[in-house]
Amino acid sequence: QVQLQESGPGLVKPSETLSLTCTVSGGSISSDYWSWIRQPAGKGLEWIGRMRTSGNSNNNPSLRSRVTMSIDTSKNQFSLKLSSVTAADTAVYYCARERAYSNYLWPDSWGQGTLVTVSS
Amino acid sequence: DIQMTQSPSSVSASVGDRVTITCRASQGISSWLAWYQQKPGKAPKFLIYGASSLQSGVPSRFSGSGSGTDFTLTISSLQPEDFATYYCQQANSFPPTFGQGTRLEIK
Repeated sequence: QVQLQESGPGLVKPSETLSLTCTVSGGSISSDYWSWIRQPAGKGLEWIGRMRTSGNSNNNPSLRSRVTMSIDTSKNQFSLKLSSVTAADTAVYYCARERAYSNYLWPDSWGQGTLVTVSS
Repeated sequence: DIQMTQSPSSVSASVGDRVTITCRASQGISSWLAWYQQKPGKAPKFLIYGASSLQSGVPSRFSGSGSGTDFTLTISSLQPEDFATYYCQQANSFPPTFGQGTRLEIK
C-alpha cells in the first residue's frame, strides 16, 4: 500500500518561498498523478495542483503564478514550491496520490500533513 | 470555481443513529463528487467517489447518492469510529473544490 510523507521547514518568512517534499513509498511515482492540498487551521481544504512524471501538470488558477511542482523519479519524491508567501499561506500542507476512478482523478491516498507557518 | 456547500456544518448524534449529510454544488457536476472523512490531526480518508461508489475497504454502512447539484452522504448506523469531519469534493470542473466540512459529534 502506498504511503506518502511530507517534509520541509515548518516556518517560512513572509515574501520568501515555501518548499516541501513528499516521499512516496510502497509504489512507483512513475504512475498516477501526484498532488498538493492545503488546509488552513479550522478551515476547509484547498487543492493546489497536480502533476505526473510525463510533465503534465495543472495548478489552481488562484495560486498558479506562485506554484512550481517537480518530480524526482530517482528518489520517488515530488516537490512543491510556493513563492512570495504571506500569512494567508499558513496551513497544513498535504501531499496526495490522485488516481483515476471512473475516468476522473481523485486524491485517494494522503500523507499525514505538515504545518507550515508564515511569520517573521 | 464551483462552490460546494455542506449542511449542516455540525451535527450531534448517538451510536446506532442514522445520519445524513448534504452537499450542494453551485452548478451541475453530474455525478463527479467524492466524500472524505477526517479525524483530528489526521489526513482525510477517501470514502466515496462518483457520488455513490464505495472505495475498497470502506464499511457498507456508508452510502452516497445524488447527481447534478444535490448530494448526500448517509451513515446507516453510527459507530464510535465514525465521529469525524466529512468533506465533499467535486471533480467535474477545474479546479477541484471541497465543501467546508460537516463535523459529526457524539451526542
